[in-house]
Amino acid sequence: DSGVTQTPKHLITATGQRVTLRCSPRSGDLSVYWYQQSLDQGLQFLIQYYNGEERAKGNILERFSAQQFPDLHSELNLSSLELGDSALYFCASSVEGRGSSYNEQFFGPGTRLTVL
Amino acid sequence: EDKVVQSPLSLVVHEGDTVTLNCSYEVTNFRSLLWYKQEKKAPTFLFMLTSSGIEKKSGRLSSILDKKELFSILNITATQTGDSAVYLCAVVDYGGATNKLIFGTGTLLAVQP
Repeated sequence: DSGVTQTPKHLITATGQRVTLRCSPRSGDLSVYWYQQSLDQGLQFLIQYYNGEERAKGNILERFSAQQFPDLHSELNLSSLELGDSALYFCASSVEGRGSSYNEQFFGPGTRLTVL
Repeated sequence: EDKVVQSPLSLVVHEGDTVTLNCSYEVTNFRSLLWYKQEKKAPTFLFMLTSSGIEKKSGRLSSILDKKELFSILNITATQTGDSAVYLCAVVDYGGATNKLIFGTGTLLAVQP
């Protein structure tokens, strides 16, 4: 158990719908990262938040958005869902903030999204 | 474009065999290389490699980095069925403001009894 929690565990929805994935980081971690893992693309970095502010963006679609709240939990919002959005969505957290030192990212159990 | 390539894509071995997994990379702002093990759930951290030529070892697993040739290998000796998993390689790319992980697509290892 990494200490990172994600809900829901599994989500099934229809195309065109909107869903919200939730992540609670490890206690004390200020950074939250979102990743998408699909069969053909592997694990792809989507976005990072640090202490409530967006820090870095990866391959995140405009239909997707995220935010980090004052209590440091984060939500990833996926809208106008398409079949190709079906994937495993991971959240990770670390103590990393400013500076160049890399701190280990701890991954949550993931949310499996199925778009029908 | 930054990329991380792993090979083979998958392999099947028998218990007791030794396997070598490969990871090559082209990343502009390389900082470190990480190995993860993923078994139907979240990736779990194995090693972080920052310096060339220094072997990291944990039990039957070991890994080494070659920063000149831009690759790393992960060795598993005396494999067990519990080693069956997807092994992910990731490079830490420091873009100036933060560290990002660039993952390879993974190597699926199946160890048969």
